[in-house]
Order: sequence, then C-alpha cells, then structure tokens
Amino acid sequence: DIQMTQSPSSLSASVGDRVTITCQASQDISDRLNWYQQKPGKAPQLLIYDASNLETGVPSRFSGSGSGTQFSFIISSLQPEDIATFYCQQYFNFPPTFGGGTKVDFK
Amino acid sequence: QVQLVQSGAEVKKPGASVKVSCKASGYTFTAYYLHWVRQAPGQGLEWMGRIIPNTGGTNHAQKFQGRISMTRDTSSGTAYMELRSLTSDDTAIYYCARVGREYYGSGSYDYWGQGTLVTVSS
Repeated sequence: DIQMTQSPSSLSASVGDRVTITCQASQDISDRLNWYQQKPGKAPQLLIYDASNLETGVPSRFSGSGSGTQFSFIISSLQPEDIATFYCQQYFNFPPTFGGGTKVDFK
Repeated sequence: QVQLVQSGAEVKKPGASVKVSCKASGYTFTAYYLHWVRQAPGQGLEWMGRIIPNTGGTNHAQKFQGRISMTRDTSSGTAYMELRSLTSDDTAIYYCARVGREYYGSGSYDYWGQGTLVTVSS
C-alpha cells in the first residue's frame, strides 16, 4: 500500500495567516491526490481533487499543488470557519490511502 | 440534490455483527462507485472497501478479509456494509462515500453519508 505522510500533524495560526500543509507519498502517484476538510462531528468534505483542482463551491483561498511524491495544500488567509482537520488521500494505486491528518486551530 | 443517508447508531457486543446501510438519492445509483471509510475515535480515516453498484462487485482492505461484506439493492438505491466478529477496535464512525471522478474504481469522494457510530462494548 502507498503510505501518505502529512505534516505537520497539528498547527496553530491566526486569522489571516497563510497556512501550508504538506503530504508526501511513498511512491510516485502522479497527480492522483485529493484534499479533504473535516470539521468536528462532521463528515469530510472534498476541497481539492487531482492535486490542484478546486471543487465546485469551495472558496478560492484554498489551493493545492504538487505531483509525483510531494504535495502542498495552502490556505491563503485563514478564516474562523476553516478550523478543522485536513486530510490528503491518494488514489493512484488500490487501495486508496489517507494521510494522518493535520489539525488546524487558532493561536 | 445528491444525498447519502446512513442508518442510525448501533451498540454491539464483542463477537457480534453490524450492518450499516447507505441510501442514495438525487443521482443514478448505479452510475457511481461507493466506498466505505471508517474513523476510530480521535483517529484518522481508514479505507475499508468499495462496491460497484452496477454489478455488485466488491473489493476490500486486506485487514478486513473474512469479516466484511458489501451488498447493494438497486431497486431502493441502498448500499450495505456488514462487519462480523466485532471487537472493541471496531468502535468507530462508519461512512459511505460516493466516488465523483472515477479512476480505476477509485477517485475523489464528492459526497459522504453523515456517518454511523458503531460502539462495540461488553
């Protein structure tokens, strides 16, 4: 199985800060990577698909980049409603696998 | 609008089985793969398996070999996931999720059920 390593596992930031999360795959996954946001008590929500494509209805402050084994997820200006845990997920190989998650909260 | 509505919370004893349902609406049930993902308390997301609603074909994670069954009823647009021989390690929220953009049976999960909490306790 492909291992997905996310970092950091948690971070604290202020409103308006730029937040960056990275995800490293144990092998080349091309651009077959998605990013999800999960708020407490809720199901995950798709934000970014195929590494860099914004899902319909998702605010443009969210973005993704990368290919191969190294990927980044950026919140350009953190908003109060963005507090959540974020997960990357690869689907290049079966089975699909998730990163361990990054919990984002306020300083 | 697309919805995946799951069955309610369950409490089971060790060794028992649980069957979770996922009723789809707002789209053609047989046109999209459905996957099952679980989340233990305070933990990350774990892929369990998938069903191809059109054919009923399934694949599952190796760790659930012999314990998991996934079925579907196309007449009602409902998918089911049964997990047997439960232990306390199976205490988790179980989600069904639709694959919106499919790549060899997997892809991005564009819609999720609300989750079903399964508690395994003696």
